[in-house]
Amino acid sequence: AQKITQTQPGMFVQEKEAVTLDCTYDTSDQSYGLFWYKQPSSGEMIFLIYQGSYDEQNATEGRYSLNFQKARKSANLVISASQLGDSAMYFCAMREGPFYNTDKLIFGTGTRLQVFP
Amino acid sequence: DVKVTQSSRYLVKRTGEKVFLECVQDMDHENMFWYRQDPGLGLRLIYFSYDVKMKEKGDIPEGYSVSREKKERFSLILESASTNQTSMYLCASSLARGYVTQYFGPGTRLTVL
Repeated sequence: AQKITQTQPGMFVQEKEAVTLDCTYDTSDQSYGLFWYKQPSSGEMIFLIYQGSYDEQNATEGRYSLNFQKARKSANLVISASQLGDSAMYFCAMREGPFYNTDKLIFGTGTRLQVFP
Repeated sequence: DVKVTQSSRYLVKRTGEKVFLECVQDMDHENMFWYRQDPGLGLRLIYFSYDVKMKEKGDIPEGYSVSREKKERFSLILESASTNQTSMYLCASSLARGYVTQYFGPGTRLTVL
């Protein structure tokens, strides 16, 4: 069974609008971490945001926020005020288990976001 | 800033060749990782290393081996390249056990003919 599911292969958004990229996860661990990475056409994966399973507040980094709904096992990325430079692939990833036990990440299949003027 | 570099952006090899992919990080990170990325499959972990001369298998180690003789360098080896190893290979590093953020290199797109 897929551990990380990104159901949107592609998304379009107009510049300056907000967009939500979906991510659901599957784990039986109580301690885990969720990540979002951006991959522009250059290929390099860029870390965007992290949410720990015990964090009560939703993580925020500039225009990025992670909408963490633990009961639903979802960790959606919200990009506010989209910019043309946000056009990229976006990957959701999970570290399963306590941070002291593993550093392995499990990635979803990605969502390609295209921002148009 | 963390800098992870990979020896080649593009590489073309023939079936049966031995292939070395090199990765170097300049931030004294203890952990290093090798992934392959294929369309529709996301990133899959091949091997990782928590320290010099240590290695652990990831989810898809078959057909690959690794070498970590120095802390800053982690090499991925395809002993006998096959066409199904045509892929994008990404190297990553993280500070130490328990430091969760991984920093990635630019990737090597390998084509095996």
